[in-house]
Amino acid sequence: DAGVIQSPRHEVTEMGQEVTLRCKPISGHNSLFWYRQTMMRGLELLIYFNNNVPIDDSGMPEDRFSAKMPNASFSTLKIQPSEPRDSAVYFCASKRGTANQETQYFGPGTRLLVL
Amino acid sequence: KQEVTQIPAALSVPEGENLVLNCSFTDSAIYNLQWFRQDPGKGLTSLLLIQSSQREQTSGRLNASLDKSSGRSTLYIAASQPGDSATYLCAVRSGGGADGLTFGKGTHLIIQP
Repeated sequence: DAGVIQSPRHEVTEMGQEVTLRCKPISGHNSLFWYRQTMMRGLELLIYFNNNVPIDDSGMPEDRFSAKMPNASFSTLKIQPSEPRDSAVYFCASKRGTANQETQYFGPGTRLLVL
Repeated sequence: KQEVTQIPAALSVPEGENLVLNCSFTDSAIYNLQWFRQDPGKGLTSLLLIQSSQREQTSGRLNASLDKSSGRSTLYIAASQPGDSATYLCAVRSGGGADGLTFGKGTHLIIQP
């Protein structure tokens, strides 16, 4: 299994530009999570989906952030317009189900730098 | 709102020592608690998952305990090795139907050869 795939791995952009981060979950997993990691705040949940439906987006910081999951094998996290404070590592994770013993599998992350 | 705290923030010990990492959480209504390992520039790898009804889990040289009523967990690493050097993160899945994890800020561990 290829694991959770994220692209791009690194992104450098200028303030005001649109940024799109992509994630392919592990095949057969029906839950997908987006997290953000910064030195100051650590890892924070942004949003998660079950069966392609957004369940909890309370962690999305502002309306500039949006996430979609058009099908079971693809999700995007978009920032428009981007700001320097959005600089962070963004992780995608997937999970097979909602049972208590299931663990989340994390992708390698996308390191975003907004200048 | 669930809050997870990890102590110490950093730890450096000689190879071969046994060590304990600590995690505390404010809301004891959890489904499970997990310990992850993160290597520099990499994603997270799950080490151990303890369900709320369990007291401990073991994997090799690692043992994690859970005291849900007091809101505490420990990760015990026996006979530490340089390859154990990494950041260790504690995360809880809170109750109420939520499926996302709340993470501590981690313990940065260095094992000196």
